[in-house]
Amino acid sequence: QVQLQESGPGLVKPSETLSLTCSVFGASINNYYWSWIRQAPGKGLEWIGYIYHSEITTYKPSLNSRVTFLVDASKNQFSLKLSSVTTADTAIYYCVTSKNDFNYYAVWGQGTLVTVSS
Amino acid sequence: DIQMTQSPSTLSASVGDRVTITCRASQSISSWLAWYQQKPGKAPQVLIYEASSLESGAPSRFRGSGSGTEFTLTISSLQPDDSATYYCQQYLSSPFTFGPGTKVDIK
Repeated sequence: QVQLQESGPGLVKPSETLSLTCSVFGASINNYYWSWIRQAPGKGLEWIGYIYHSEITTYKPSLNSRVTFLVDASKNQFSLKLSSVTTADTAIYYCVTSKNDFNYYAVWGQGTLVTVSS
Repeated sequence: DIQMTQSPSTLSASVGDRVTITCRASQSISSWLAWYQQKPGKAPQVLIYEASSLESGAPSRFRGSGSGTEFTLTISSLQPDDSATYYCQQYLSSPFTFGPGTKVDIK
């Protein structure tokens, strides 16, 4: 079955760039929508965006100027870069996928906590 | 953006009770709605998609209904394992948005 695994630094300094990678097992990165969702401590779920067919991206408008998704098909991975982070970006970051052409999420990574702090 | 609201924000019920959670969208989303269950320290899991379709592996006591702007998630007979926070999500149009969640406690 499809499995996802996030990796990346757990601590990022304010104004720097948060970088996370999601490794995909059991499916090709060239299919489906691949998304990032985050959850601030004790808060609800926030959709960040998706990448589709390795190059089509859509981001949440309020994050659009700071976020970039990329696919590395050779490693079957996709990544998130979020620039100019502040403490408001502290959250658990989940990589997710639909396993189909719709944007509800049947497969989630276990999540990785990223703390923005000096 | 399509805004999602949920009610109640918390509820407490006994094992065996029928529980209903309501989700409303700020505009019609047809049936493009999913429901998720999240337990503390865990990633959410999808229960229902397309408003009323049960995800494979989800218990049959979970039932989704509704279309347009008003939706419900019903747990027909609450079990101890159902203690969790439940979120609705619209996927008609991006940015895909979630409701604020409903926390379900067992009395």
